[in-house]
Amino acid sequence: KAGVTQTPRYLIKTRGQQVTLSCSPISGHRSVSWYQQTPGQGLQFLFEYFSETQRNKGNFPGRFSGRQFSNSRSEMNVSTLELGDSALYLCASSSTRASTRNEQFFGPGTRLTVL
Amino acid sequence: SQQGEEDPQALSIQEGENATMNCSYKTSINNLQWYRQNSGRGLVHLILIRSNEREKHSGRLRVTLDTSKKSSSLLITASRAADTASYFCATVPGDYNQGGKLIFGQGTELSVKP
Repeated sequence: KAGVTQTPRYLIKTRGQQVTLSCSPISGHRSVSWYQQTPGQGLQFLFEYFSETQRNKGNFPGRFSGRQFSNSRSEMNVSTLELGDSALYLCASSSTRASTRNEQFFGPGTRLTVL
Repeated sequence: SQQGEEDPQALSIQEGENATMNCSYKTSINNLQWYRQNSGRGLVHLILIRSNEREKHSGRLRVTLDTSKKSSSLLITASRAADTASYFCATVPGDYNQGGKLIFGQGTELSVKP
């Protein structure tokens, strides 16, 4: 089985722009979670989707949004980019409804740089 | 906010030595997981220990969990240069029934010198 894939791998944007990141989970996995990793704040949970529904959301402003499609692929969008949004964005998929009861499989991440 | 606190923040050892990393957390958990990350890439799941378990082994890895002290440790035996990476503990809060989130610690940067 192919692993979790994320596109693009690298992205450079300027302040005020918006960006869309994509994540394709492992085939058959219906849960997709997103995390932001920065040197200062570490790994922080953004949101989790299961069967096209957002089940959980972290403490991020409304500029961060996401969605999941019927094929379980997920996108996250960040509008009005700020310098502090520069980070590695990781998505993870899980095979079970109880997604955090078992291991999660992470993608390689998208490195976003905001200038 | 981060729930897990990891200790030490950085660890440098020689090949063949054992490496021990510690993780403390604040609230009740359903399970605790350890992940490895190489050079800012994706995370790789290492091991999961449930709140009713005290110790678990996987190859050269040994994880212990002490829920009374809200702490866990990861031991890597006979380390290799390829073990050089950042190691994160992640907890799953006890009140989540289905989905939920992983709450990560700040990580321990392990360097294994040949």
